[in-house]
Amino acid sequence: EAGVTQFPSHSVIEKGQTVTLRCDPISGHDNLYWYRRVMGKEIKFLLHFVKESKQDESGMPNNRFLAERTGGTYSTLKVQPAELEDSGVYFCASSHEQGAEKLFFGSGTQLSVL
Amino acid sequence: QKEVEQNSGPLSVPEGAIASLNCTYSDRVSQSFFWYRQYSGKSPELIMSIYSNGDKEDGRFTAQLNKASQYVSLLIRDSQPSDSATYLCAVNRDNYGQNFVFGPGTRLSVLP
Repeated sequence: EAGVTQFPSHSVIEKGQTVTLRCDPISGHDNLYWYRRVMGKEIKFLLHFVKESKQDESGMPNNRFLAERTGGTYSTLKVQPAELEDSGVYFCASSHEQGAEKLFFGSGTQLSVL
Repeated sequence: QKEVEQNSGPLSVPEGAIASLNCTYSDRVSQSFFWYRQYSGKSPELIMSIYSNGDKEDGRFTAQLNKASQYVSLLIRDSQPSDSATYLCAVNRDNYGQNFVFGPGTRLSVLP
């Protein structure tokens, strides 16, 4: 069974540009989460999808971030325009049930905004 | 005060020793507690979960929870060099959804 996959693994962009991160959850997992870890800080929750619906987006830092999950399969996280403080590792995770033990993480996208 | 605190380390222990990792949390209503292991450049991997006070053992790993003291720990017995990684403490306020609050992680180094 394929795990949670994220693309790209690394992205280097300039301030003001747009970047789109993609996450493919484990097939059949209705729950999809985005987290991020900025330099030197802890991993922080961004948002939670149940199928194509946003269940909780309380962690989204501002309106430069837009997450979508059309069709309830893969998800994208777009940052537009990117700022220096957006640099960090963006993790995606998925689960079949809402039991915490079933949460599987992807290996993350390292985003560097110069 | 941060919601979940851990010593960043590095914590160095010799091979075969017991590694003790500690975590404190500030929100008293927290219900579930998790330890994730993360190798450099890899995804966090769940290794232990604990929900009630006391100890929970799984192989070489023991999680300990003390809700009164708002403290959770992870013991690794017979530490191996392959245990060298960053260990993340995560706290969830309920069992629905995974709006986890993570600690900054403790880097463990097991010396051969």
